[in-house]
Amino acid sequence: ETGVTQTPRHLVMGMTNKKSLKCEQHLGHNAMYWYKQSAKKPLELMFVYSLEERVENNSVPSRFSPECPNSSHLFLHLHTLQPEDSALYLCASSQDLTWNEKLFFGSGTQLSVL
Amino acid sequence: QQQVKQSPQSLIVQKGGISIINCAYENTAFDYFPWYQQFPGKGPALLIAIRPDVSEKKEGRFTISFNKSAKQFSLHIMDSQPGDSATYFCAASPITGNQFYFGTGTSLTVIP
Repeated sequence: ETGVTQTPRHLVMGMTNKKSLKCEQHLGHNAMYWYKQSAKKPLELMFVYSLEERVENNSVPSRFSPECPNSSHLFLHLHTLQPEDSALYLCASSQDLTWNEKLFFGSGTQLSVL
Repeated sequence: QQQVKQSPQSLIVQKGGISIINCAYENTAFDYFPWYQQFPGKGPALLIAIRPDVSEKKEGRFTISFNKSAKQFSLHIMDSQPGDSATYFCAASPITGNQFYFGTGTSLTVIP
């Protein structure tokens, strides 16, 4: 157990649905991340939060909306997604955003958009 | 542009053999090179990492070889075991911040 919990593990949604992914870390870390993992592609960093403030948004479409209410919880709100958004969405945390901190990943949410 | 190039995409090795995965980068600002291991249904987990002030780092059966002049680094798994079957990702990050650039992954299968 890595200390980072993601729910749900699997999600199937239509293009008109609204859903949310949840991530919780029990490690006392100050930084949290959303990554997208697609087959045969590098992990793509989507969002970074440090002490609940967004510090990076890597040109992610507005149909993905992150929320970080506190340093232990991170959400990814989804609406009007496209089939190409189907992927494994990984949450990660690290102690801080200082140099070369180890990332702790959750098991991910496997998203299928129909 | 892909910052870190990883090969091969997939690898099949006999039990007891040596598994070798290669990565290359261009950005000379990269200063930290971790390898992550991912089992099916799980998130990636840090396996081993190296900084460019050394050419090799060994932890048990896992060794990173680093060639700064060639901007290449590789993971060697000695005495490969079926339990090593997983996807391996190399990554690189610059000296400032915690931005990681990942390779595309290598699916390793170790057959008994």
